[in-house]
Amino acid sequence: EIVLTQSPATLSVSPGERATLSCRASQSVSSSLAWYLQKAGQAPRLLIYGASTRATGIPARFSGSGSGTEFTLTISSLQSEDFAVYYCQQYNNWPPWTFGQGTKVEIK
Amino acid sequence: EVQVVESGGGLVQPGGSLRLSCAASGFPFSTSGMNWVRQAPGKGLEWVSYISGPSVTIYYADSVRGRFTISRDNAKNSLYLQMNSLRAEDTAVYYCARLWPVGGDYPFDHWGQGTLVTVSS
Repeated sequence: EIVLTQSPATLSVSPGERATLSCRASQSVSSSLAWYLQKAGQAPRLLIYGASTRATGIPARFSGSGSGTEFTLTISSLQSEDFAVYYCQQYNNWPPWTFGQGTKVEIK
Repeated sequence: EVQVVESGGGLVQPGGSLRLSCAASGFPFSTSGMNWVRQAPGKGLEWVSYISGPSVTIYYADSVRGRFTISRDNAKNSLYLQMNSLRAEDTAVYYCARLWPVGGDYPFDHWGQGTLVTVSS
């Protein structure tokens, strides 16, 4: 089973600032990585797939990069609606599909 | 418009059973692989089970294999999860999510709002 480790666990950022989230895989997942955003009490929402492709309707301030075992999600200028928990997920070796433990982006 | 709606959650005693349902619309359900993903209170996401469109391929997480059964009725655009021998650690919000095959990628694109299952005496 591929283990995904996200860092940091919590990121405190001021509105308008840049946020950088990391996801590390225990073995290579090529570019088979997705990022999801989850607001409190809501379902996860797909942001990025294929490590760097934005899903439909996702603003350009969200960008993903990386391949193999190291991945990054960058939010260029945080908006109020971006404060949430972010999860990475691998779909290179399944089953099981595995998720990281999440990074909470909170208002500084 | 895509809609995914789970139902069937509730309070059940340890060792009991529960059947979850997921009603989908707005996408080609019969050809879509579907998943159940759960989230324990205050915790992260855990994949539970997958079923292919024609129900030919089925997978389970080790934590539920032998206790949970996934199924679907394509005529009703519905997905199900039969949960038996429930344990306290099965307490979670259960989400139904579509696997979206796109250019060699397989993310989960459509998710329901979830249904809460609480296992407690």
